[in-house]
Amino acid sequence: QVQLVESGGGVVQPGRSLRLSCAASGFTFSSYGMHWVRQAPGKGLEWVAVIWFDGSNKYYADFVTGRFTISRDNSKNTLYLQMNSLRAEDAAVYYCARDRDLRGSGYFQHWGQGTLVTVSS
Amino acid sequence: DIQMTQSPSSLSASVGDRVTITCQASQDISNYLNWYQQKPGKAPKLLIYDASNLEAGVPSRFSGTGSGTDFTFTISSLQPEDIATYYCQQYDNLPPTFGGGTKVEIK
Repeated sequence: QVQLVESGGGVVQPGRSLRLSCAASGFTFSSYGMHWVRQAPGKGLEWVAVIWFDGSNKYYADFVTGRFTISRDNSKNTLYLQMNSLRAEDAAVYYCARDRDLRGSGYFQHWGQGTLVTVSS
Repeated sequence: DIQMTQSPSSLSASVGDRVTITCQASQDISNYLNWYQQKPGKAPKLLIYDASNLEAGVPSRFSGTGSGTDFTFTISSLQPEDIATYYCQQYDNLPPTFGGGTKVEIK
């Protein structure tokens, strides 16, 4: 079955960087668009970024453009989110999610369990 | 960005009750609308896709209707295990956007 396992979360100071990973299994990773979605404590869901099946296209939410970079390694079945210049408001549980199709239409069919990012001095 | 307005933000109902949640999009999104269930401390789970289609393995007491800008999610007979927060989400345009959520509790 589809399994997505995030890692890399933790406590980081404002302005510093963190890289999240999402290990995928149970499906052909290179055939699906992949997303990052976040949820601040006690708040709703917020889309962060998408990458197409082959990494050829990437799109970001306005609030992370220029600070975060989504990438993937299809040989390792792994999705990444490089987060730079972190702010207090970036604190959240970050979920990776698999799309329904190649390009990542924004249809979150499967989710990981999430990894918590805390931004604090 | 397309705004998704979900109501109510919370509700309390008895076991066996019919529960209805509405979601309104700020522009026509056809049927590009999903519903998710999120239990405390867990990841969201897709329940309904394309506004009215039940995801595999999801109990038939869950249903969805609507198209264009107005959508409805229904639990026909509320069960104790349905305690959760429910979100609508549009994927007609990037960025995909979510409603604010509806927290469902047992009375």
